[in-house]
Amino acid sequence: DAKTTQPPSMDCAEGRAANLPCNHSTISGNEYVYWYRQIHSQGPQYIIHGLKNNETNEMASLIITEDRKSSTLILPHATLRDTAVYYCIVTRYNTDKLIFGTGTRLQVFP
Amino acid sequence: GAGVSQSPSNKVTEKGKDVELRCDPISGHTALYWYRQSLGQGLEFLIYFQGNSAPDKSGLPSDRFSAERTGGSVSTLTIQRTQQEDSAVYLCASSLRTGLNTEAFFGQGTRLTVV
Repeated sequence: DAKTTQPPSMDCAEGRAANLPCNHSTISGNEYVYWYRQIHSQGPQYIIHGLKNNETNEMASLIITEDRKSSTLILPHATLRDTAVYYCIVTRYNTDKLIFGTGTRLQVFP
Repeated sequence: GAGVSQSPSNKVTEKGKDVELRCDPISGHTALYWYRQSLGQGLEFLIYFQGNSAPDKSGLPSDRFSAERTGGSVSTLTIQRTQQEDSAVYLCASSLRTGLNTEAFFGQGTRLTVV
């Protein structure tokens, strides 16, 4: 599976958009970008995934660059409850395991 | 139940003892995974079950670790002769799809402390 690079930490003011970047320069054509998050003391939670088109759901938007070498997860109106570690994962669809990196620790402040 | 259930939620054991951790996946989910998360660290893949296929055991750290999944549902992770470095949160996840994709649901984990 392709490796990803994320900043170790980020801050965001409550109510503002949180933009979390991820680099995956070695991504293959059949690999998807997945985002999960882990709130303190809880199991990881699926957020969104995409192949090459931008995606949006009730939780977030995923913007993937045209060359697919990087992506950005956008939380449009961050709340204190969005404070968590966010993991960007690149993997083939229906592959057998997700490999979690160290993620980005997002701190949303009042 | 509505989600993935793990038991016990906390387990303290003496070094050298065996422990069993249980995972009840979401009903109908064919894929089941175990991960381990040490304090302040990321998630380490341990093992994956998919239907009747042979499990992917490539993440098990030593032969003291084993897991089984009975009847395609409940799974038990067994750690023999526990060591202090086994202390971690053990997370189970299940998925409806063939792979751990799209909607992988995690349990709350079992916090294992080896003293």
